[in-house]
Amino acid sequence: DAGITQSPRYKITETGRQVTLMCHQTWSHSYMFWYRQDLGHGLRLIYYSAAADITDKGEVPDGYVVSRSKTENFPLTLESATRSQTSVYFCASNPDSGGYEQYFGPGTRLTVT
Amino acid sequence: QKEVEQNSGPLSVPEGAIASLNCTYSDRVSQSFFWYRQYSGKSPELIMSIYSNGDKEDGRFTAQLNKASQYVSLLIRDSQPSDSATYLCAVPSGNTPLVFGKGTRLSVIA
Repeated sequence: DAGITQSPRYKITETGRQVTLMCHQTWSHSYMFWYRQDLGHGLRLIYYSAAADITDKGEVPDGYVVSRSKTENFPLTLESATRSQTSVYFCASNPDSGGYEQYFGPGTRLTVT
Repeated sequence: QKEVEQNSGPLSVPEGAIASLNCTYSDRVSQSFFWYRQYSGKSPELIMSIYSNGDKEDGRFTAQLNKASQYVSLLIRDSQPSDSATYLCAVPSGNTPLVFGKGTRLSVIA
């Protein structure tokens, strides 16, 4: 099916482990985004990408790494997970320059113990 | 970081009433404004966009923009229990494609 998918949907990991969250879209949208959503903070941008091999930091990039070797994939890696990274992570995409009207994936709920 | 402010709620309205959701933003140069709806446990979905001062209507939804006051609102007429959700205001700001407010939780009481 066309759209934007995220995997896994739920993940429990331990402090210090490396975790990669996957995001895949079938629309060939140029822009892709990673957000985290926490109670009291709302949606915060971690990283975004305007095209393959182009990435930029958002509001809360520390502790995260992204790559975009193909237009359709935008994985997010937590190099050494911390409890403060427990959150719901949303991937989104947008077809136009500017990245305004974004389409969100279903989210990944990550718990770091 | 430019800010987008919303009353967190919850805002409770009876079924059939008008729900009014408000948002203020700090970046004076912003030109585009968006409302997203997020049901509990689900991802945000775009429901309205507005670019010019005044009102924009789409079905039961009306977005209102006042750039001079840096204020954007969303009116939901004939509110239904299915409208119960969190409504997120979003504004492009500086180098950030979209800055989201923390959202207003709306509860429509049958």
